[in-house]
Amino acid sequence: TQLLEQSPQFLSIQEGENLTVYCNSSSVFSSLQWYRQEPGEGPVLLVTVVTGGEVKKLKRLTFQFGDARKDSSLHITAAQTGDTGLYLCAGPDFSSGSARQLTFGSGTQLTVLP
Amino acid sequence: NAGVTQTPKFRVLKTGQSMTLLCAQDMNHEYMYWYRQDPGMGLRLIHYSVGEGTTAKGEVPDGYNVSRLKKQNFLLGLESAAPSQTSVYFCASSLYRTGELFFGEGSRLTVL
Repeated sequence: TQLLEQSPQFLSIQEGENLTVYCNSSSVFSSLQWYRQEPGEGPVLLVTVVTGGEVKKLKRLTFQFGDARKDSSLHITAAQTGDTGLYLCAGPDFSSGSARQLTFGSGTQLTVLP
Repeated sequence: NAGVTQTPKFRVLKTGQSMTLLCAQDMNHEYMYWYRQDPGMGLRLIHYSVGEGTTAKGEVPDGYNVSRLKKQNFLLGLESAAPSQTSVYFCASSLYRTGELFFGEGSRLTVL
């Protein structure tokens, strides 16, 4: 299984601050997805990045896919309390010989304090 | 606008008891998945299905069985529950292989 490591595991910041969370692997991924999960709910897709070096913006969220397609980052500008949640990255697992499943990182738990 | 619906949402079992979790999706998706989520371990794939009548093992299949008799339903069974199966279980579906996953709200299972 291709391992996706996310850092930091926990992050607590004040409203208005900026932050970056990371998703790293020793393997190349054809694409990476970012999900956000709020308490008591299932994860919801935020974005998919597919091209090395790609940058996608979703309002105050900026997603970047590394040039070598082994890593990705999520930058949040001027965090709001509504950004609180578990951020998960996921990518297709080719290790079984068939890209039939997504493998998930362990997530970054973000808490934005008012 | 139901999307993916899981039942039950909460369940407490004693060791050795059996139960079935039901997942239903109304998006006509071919692919369906069962994940478990434990603190610090993200989402781990238990079993998945690429279409009606098919199932396959994921990363952590031991102690679980699944069935996909109808395209819209994916059942997860525990034949003899163990405390290690205490977890939150999520069902998901997707239109394409490795495409966007649509998740249910989760089923919290406690095995005493």
